[in-house]
Amino acid sequence: DQQVKQNSPSLSVQEGRISILNCDYTNSMFDYFLWYKKYPAEGPTFLISISSIKDKNEDGRFTVFLNKSAKHLSLHIVPSQPGDSAVYFCAASSFGDDKIIFGKGTRLHILP
Amino acid sequence: EAGVAQSPRYKIIEKRQSVAFWCNPISGHATLYWYQQILGQGPKLLIQFQNNGVVDDSQLPKDRFSAERLKGVDSTLKIQPAKLEDSAVYLCASSNAKDNYGYTFGSGTRLTVV
Repeated sequence: DQQVKQNSPSLSVQEGRISILNCDYTNSMFDYFLWYKKYPAEGPTFLISISSIKDKNEDGRFTVFLNKSAKHLSLHIVPSQPGDSAVYFCAASSFGDDKIIFGKGTRLHILP
Repeated sequence: EAGVAQSPRYKIIEKRQSVAFWCNPISGHATLYWYQQILGQGPKLLIQFQNNGVVDDSQLPKDRFSAERLKGVDSTLKIQPAKLEDSAVYLCASSNAKDNYGYTFGSGTRLTVV
C-alpha cells in the first residue's frame, strides 16, 4: 500500500517555463513533507521541505505547496533550468517517527 | 563536512552468492538507515539504527538480509544468499535529528544479481 504517490513517472518542460511536480499521500498522520532530487549514479539530495502547519514554503526558484484537506502537495520550479533535469522524490514523515516514506519519483526533463 | 561514504559503488554477483555493503555515516550522526531502491521505484527502508541499536527492521527480509552497526558508527548490510530480485541500488543515509534537511544519503551501491 503506497502511502506517498507520485502518479506522473515523467514530465518534460521547456527551459524557462514552470515545472510542477505533484504528490499525493494517504496517511493523515504525516506532518512533514520533503522533496529530494536525484541525479544518475548519485544518492538523493534534500531540496526543500514543509511542515503541516504551513501551506507554502519558498526557497529561491523552488516552492512547495501543501493542501492538507486534499492530502496533496506540489513542487514548483520557476524558471526551469537544464540542471533541474533529474528524478524528484516526494517524501513524508510523521511526528515522533524518524522514518521517511518515499514516493516512486518523477523524472523531470528540461528541454532546451 | 564529509558526506556519507558507501562502498563498493557497483557489484555484480551470481544468484545464491553472498555480498556485503559498507557505510560510513556523517560524523556524529546517531541515526543510520539502509534503503533499497529498485529501478523505477522510490527508496524503501530496510533497517534503521539509533547508535548501535536497531529501531526498525520490519521491512528487512531477515531470512537472507542482515545488518549491523558495531560501535554505533560504520554499518554493513549483508545478503546471503542473493536472489535475482535483490538487484537494486542500496542507499545508506544518516541523520542527527529530524531537522529541516531530512537525511543525508550516500551515493549508493548498485547491485546486479545474475
